[in-house]
Amino acid sequence: DSGVTQTPKHLITATGQRVTLRCSPRSGDLSVYWYQQSLDQGLQFLIQYYNGEERAKGNILERFSAQQFPDLHSELNLSSLELGDSALYFCASSVEYIEGARSTEAFFGQGTRLTVV
Amino acid sequence: SQQGEEDPQALSIQEGENATMNCSYKTSINNLQWYRQNSGRGLVHLILIRSNEREKHSGRLRVTLDTSKKSSSLLITASRAADTASYFCATRSGGSNYKLTFGKGTLLTVNP
Repeated sequence: DSGVTQTPKHLITATGQRVTLRCSPRSGDLSVYWYQQSLDQGLQFLIQYYNGEERAKGNILERFSAQQFPDLHSELNLSSLELGDSALYFCASSVEYIEGARSTEAFFGQGTRLTVV
Repeated sequence: SQQGEEDPQALSIQEGENATMNCSYKTSINNLQWYRQNSGRGLVHLILIRSNEREKHSGRLRVTLDTSKKSSSLLITASRAADTASYFCATRSGGSNYKLTFGKGTLLTVNP
């Protein structure tokens, strides 16, 4: 158990719909990452938050948005869903510091499998 | 875009043999990490090597880093069927770049 909790584990929804994926990081971790994993694209970095602020952005579509709340949990919102959005969505957390960023390993949740039909 | 690229894409060996996977990356890094993923599950951190280190060991794992060639290798010795998984390298650049960028992975199959 990595200590990172993602809900729900599975989600089936129709095209055009909107869903919210939730992530609770490990206790004490201030940084949260979101990744999308599909067979053809591999593990794609979407976005990172540190202590409530957006820190880095990757290949995240405009239809997708995320935020990190004061209690450090994070949500990834996916809207106007398309068939191609079907994938595993992972959240990871790690300990980071603002000054001279101490880079440590990331701990991954078990993912949310999204199926768009 | 992917920062790290693993090679080979797939590797099949017999139990007891050693498995070597390689990773190449494009930009300067702060550290390089290797992760393992069992089918459809979350990634698990294996080992981290910093840019000023050349080799690191952890149990049956040995990682090397050559910053001049922008490459790393992961060696798993005396492989077991339970080592069957996908292995990813991930790089983190320095400065204000906080991204942890993964390669596409090597699928390792260890046959009993």
